[in-house]
Amino acid sequence: QVQLVQSGAEVKKPGASVKVSCKASGYTFTSYDINWVRQATGQGLEWMGWMNPNSGNTGYAQKFQGRVTMTRNTSISTAYMELSSLRSEDTAVYYCARRIFDAFDIWGQGTMVTVSS
Amino acid sequence: QSVLTQPPSASGTPGQRVTISCSGSSSNIGSNTVNWYQQLPGTAPKLLIYSNNQRPSGVPDRFSGSKSGTSASLAISGLQSEDEADYYCAAWDDSLNGLYVFGTGTKVTVL
Repeated sequence: QVQLVQSGAEVKKPGASVKVSCKASGYTFTSYDINWVRQATGQGLEWMGWMNPNSGNTGYAQKFQGRVTMTRNTSISTAYMELSSLRSEDTAVYYCARRIFDAFDIWGQGTMVTVSS
Repeated sequence: QSVLTQPPSASGTPGQRVTISCSGSSSNIGSNTVNWYQQLPGTAPKLLIYSNNQRPSGVPDRFSGSKSGTSASLAISGLQSEDEADYYCAAWDDSLNGLYVFGTGTKVTVL
């Protein structure tokens, strides 16, 4: 079936970087943009950016410009989101999601990233 | 930070109809289609409504969406206990290089 499977939970120190993976299966990986959304505990959803797996083109929310990098490896149908200069406020669950038309129809299970000294 | 405004909570008894509003602006809801997501506790969001009023396969027809101008709404008719969840509206925003904006979220409680 169509699914996105993300990497496991991470614990990082302030100032470090984290790289979360999102492996697609059940569909042609290069045919749909992958978006990243995060959610702090008890808070709402926050969009971070998108990546076109075919071209590698990306677009980031202004808030994350300079700190986030979205890449992919088409040979293994996997998208990546790397966030640098981590601070405590980056503690959240990070989701990847497939875009179809103007909506996100398939979501990964989420990856908990904890930033703590 | 959320650009779309929703009421923080809504509630109803089983079988009742509940409506959730979503208020935006000309650059987001006024210019683009609205989507709704349902998030059950401890799980990833699920697409509930896309393109203002379309239901993905498998979504019960108890859920319906509408849009007018810069506002949108989600209606749940025949409320069921399994509908207790957080609901988010969302839309693309043309003002900031293609930003996707979510609503503030509404917690629906089944009394």
